[in-house]
Amino acid sequence: EAGVAQSPRYKIIEKRQSVAFWCNPISGHATLYWYQQILGQGPKLLIQFQNNGVVDDSQLPKDRFSAERLKGVDSTLKIQPAKLEDSAVYLCASSLDQRGLPTDTQYFGPGTRLTVL
Amino acid sequence: GESVGLHLPTLSVQEGDNSIINCAYSNSASDYFIWYKQESGKGPQFIIDIRSNMDKRQGQRVTVLLNKTVKHLSLQIAATQPGDSAVYFCAGREGSARQLTFGSGTQLTVLP
Repeated sequence: EAGVAQSPRYKIIEKRQSVAFWCNPISGHATLYWYQQILGQGPKLLIQFQNNGVVDDSQLPKDRFSAERLKGVDSTLKIQPAKLEDSAVYLCASSLDQRGLPTDTQYFGPGTRLTVL
Repeated sequence: GESVGLHLPTLSVQEGDNSIINCAYSNSASDYFIWYKQESGKGPQFIIDIRSNMDKRQGQRVTVLLNKTVKHLSLQIAATQPGDSAVYFCAGREGSARQLTFGSGTQLTVLP
C-alpha cells in the first residue's frame, strides 16, 4: 500500500513570497490533516478535512495560510505571504475513518521542509 | 487546554539495554495517548496507544505505562536496537477534543 505522498520535499523562499505544498493521502482515506512542525517541537495541527469539508482550522493563521481539498482526495496548503517564523516542516497525514477522531490511526507523509530567508 | 511534554530532550542507551522515555500531561480529563516514532527526514510513525481506562499496554518490544494519579506515561523499549534511534513523541487527547496535542519529543540515541 502506497503511503502519504508530499511534494516538494524541500523549499527555500524569501520572506513575503508565496509557496504551496501538495499532499496525496492514502487511497480511500477520508480524513486529511496538515501539521506544522517547528524544529525541536512536536507537530501542531493546522487544519483537518473530512472528505472535502473542513472540520477544524482553529490553529490555521488564516490571514496568510489557506488550504483546500478538492474532490476529497488531494490537498494543497498555501502560504501567502511567508514570514521568517513559517520556517518549519509541513506534514500531511491521513486516516481511514471519516469521523476523523484522534483515536483513528494517522499515517504521516515525509513532510516538506520550508526555509524562509 | 491540554499540555503534553516530555521529561528529557535526549536519551542515550547502549544497544541491547532497555529504554524508558517519559511524558507528562497536565489535564486530568485526558483520556487517550499515543506514542510516535520519527526518524530523521520522515514523518511520525504510530508505535502504540493507550486509553485512560488502562494502566499498561504491550506491543512488540514496547510497553506503555499510564499513571493517571501523577499524570505521567512512559514508553519502554526492550532490547534497544540501532534502528530504534529516532525522536519519540507522546500525544494526548483531552476529553472530547477532536485533535491530539503533541509533546516536544525525546531524541533517543542507541550507542554501539
